[in-house]
Amino acid sequence: GAGVSQSPRYKVAKRGQDVALRCDPISGHVSLFWYQQALGQGPEFLTYFQNEAQLDKSGLPSDRFFAERPEGSVSTLKIQRTQQEDSAVYLCASFPGAGTEAFFGQGTRLTVV
Amino acid sequence: TQLLEQSPQFLSIQEGENLTVYCNSSSVFSSLQWYRQEPGEGPVLLVTVVTGGEVKKLKRLTFQFGDARKDSSLHITAAQPGDTGLYLCAGNTGKLIFGQGTTLQVKP
Repeated sequence: GAGVSQSPRYKVAKRGQDVALRCDPISGHVSLFWYQQALGQGPEFLTYFQNEAQLDKSGLPSDRFFAERPEGSVSTLKIQRTQQEDSAVYLCASFPGAGTEAFFGQGTRLTVV
Repeated sequence: TQLLEQSPQFLSIQEGENLTVYCNSSSVFSSLQWYRQEPGEGPVLLVTVVTGGEVKKLKRLTFQFGDARKDSSLHITAAQPGDTGLYLCAGNTGKLIFGQGTTLQVKP
């Protein structure tokens, strides 16, 4: 497709369950970022990749959060043993190059019950 | 600590009014971007400002980058209901960092 695609759009998880969120970036985009967004707030940085290399994971809230991009294209954000405070929208953005426009997916809304 | 402070956080105005949103920081940025986000969607880029003192216009929207490249403003003239949304400023520090956003509601 032409844009960044995220799946699923909505995910309801029981507390303690593991979840995996997928991001398909725009083809050829080198950089890929993950953000967490609370309702009515700005996106908070989680981690980013340049090709398959994870260059910064300083924003990941805990060691329950793990991200990968093994072949430099599709990325997966995994959250283990989900907790209620993990409920948020998770946004993925890809960039054609450094300092350029970010192209965002529609996000995955995660609700932990 | 919020690197980029946006104000106001929430704004509710009548159609036809003017408004200004501010984005302030103690840090210098090589560039600053403004995004607009609608419910259920990801943010979409409005503009990128790069040069200190730069002013860019996009129809009824005017963007300004401070001389010291630490702050920016977004001015909307004659707001319309279609301008309703979450406005976000973002600075590039090697990674893109966002302000907390300004929710704008324009009532007909």
